[in-house]
Amino acid sequence: NAGVTQTPKFRVLKTGQSMTLLCAQDMNHEYMYWYRQDPGMGLRLIHYSVGEGTTAKGEVPDGYNVSRLKKQNFLLGLESAAPSQTSVYFCASSSAGQGNYGYTFGSGTRLTVV
Amino acid sequence: AQSVTQPDIHITVSEGASLELRCNYSYGATPYLFWYVQSPGQGLQLLLKYFSGDTLVQGIKGFEAEFKRSQSSFNLRKPSVHWSDAAEYFCAVFPGGGNKLTFGTGTQLKVEL
Repeated sequence: NAGVTQTPKFRVLKTGQSMTLLCAQDMNHEYMYWYRQDPGMGLRLIHYSVGEGTTAKGEVPDGYNVSRLKKQNFLLGLESAAPSQTSVYFCASSSAGQGNYGYTFGSGTRLTVV
Repeated sequence: AQSVTQPDIHITVSEGASLELRCNYSYGATPYLFWYVQSPGQGLQLLLKYFSGDTLVQGIKGFEAEFKRSQSSFNLRKPSVHWSDAAEYFCAVFPGGGNKLTFGTGTQLKVEL
């Protein structure tokens, strides 16, 4: 029972490079989320999706794009990485209409942009 | 918009001592409330949640939390802390009818042996 799996776990990028973070869930959840975690700032929502083919902006969407082509996958893209995007990224998922039961989180991706 | 405040950034307690982590929320109605724990290098794990009913909720690992509507608070407690409880703790709010959790900034717990 894998739950939510994030790949890669660690990555170092040079400024201006691009990359995609993959989130996969095997719980048939409708909702998926991408958060970033920075010291002293808690978790901030980047983008989220309420179903296959749909995405929406969260609190800090600038510099990121997302896609939800398959229900089980939610991709987070950085087109031109900046040092300000150095962070730990967490993916989460929840059942539609049952977000009140909380989210299931992945173990995170630690990204450093130099 | 809803918000969550965790006023304590760091807390240090001795092993065996009691613990209370504070959480205050700002929301027009009673939201759904959660506490998560994050061990170093790990993702977030749900400790407990409150939707309605009994204002004292029990969670995993011996934690409990009490919802106080008059104070807009949802404080986390544990009677006797273990060294393995050292972690970061996050309070979160989920507005009824909404679809996004809002997190507090976290409280880092250190346990002295």
